Amino acid sequence: GENVEQHPSTLSVQEGDSAVIKCTYSDSASNYFPWYKQELGKRPQLIIDIRSNVGEKKDQRIAVTLNKTAKHFSLHITETQPEDSAVYFCAASFLDNNDMRFGAGTRLTVKP
Amino acid sequence: DAGVIQSPRHEVTEMGQEVTLRCKPISGHNSLFWYRQTMMRGLELLIYFNNNVPIDDSGMPEDRFSAKMPNASFSTLKIQPSEPRDSAVYFCASSSRRALNNEQFFGPGTRLTVL
Repeated sequence: GENVEQHPSTLSVQEGDSAVIKCTYSDSASNYFPWYKQELGKRPQLIIDIRSNVGEKKDQRIAVTLNKTAKHFSLHITETQPEDSAVYFCAASFLDNNDMRFGAGTRLTVKP
Repeated sequence: DAGVIQSPRHEVTEMGQEVTLRCKPISGHNSLFWYRQTMMRGLELLIYFNNNVPIDDSGMPEDRFSAKMPNASFSTLKIQPSEPRDSAVYFCASSSRRALNNEQFFGPGTRLTVL
């Protein structure tokens, strides 16, 4: 089955700096890679996703990149703000079924 | 739509007691997932259903855990007997295989404490 590794487990940045979270996956058949944000005491919510036919996707201050050959994908947050502080989960799945596997999560802290 | 509904939101019980967690997925969604979240182990997939049929229960920790989905609008996760190490937040999520992506919508979670 799919195995998703996520690094780092914790990340602390100064407000305004960039943050990068990296994930690797094991199953080359995976073709859908979402990122979820979980604020303290809340449920995980989708913030951005990318499919395997796209190398990069951007939404305002958030971008995701995908390297299918290396089976790597990353989340980039620019101009970080304190409200970006949360746990971020990457995931990988195959669109024809709904078996989605999550990484272990990265706790991002943005210091004002 | 009210989103995914879970009950109870908090449950405190004593070791050995039976615990039943409930989930109502978003109407029209045909996949349902049960997750367990702890500080030590992160977000673990326990079991998921497609069209009310269990597809993968390899994440269910042991025989004390069981899950059912008797119809498209209701699922239960049961722990019997419960143990202190079962203390965690249990999330239910649903998604639609007809959607353009596999976005999973999470419920608010049930915080379980086993004393």
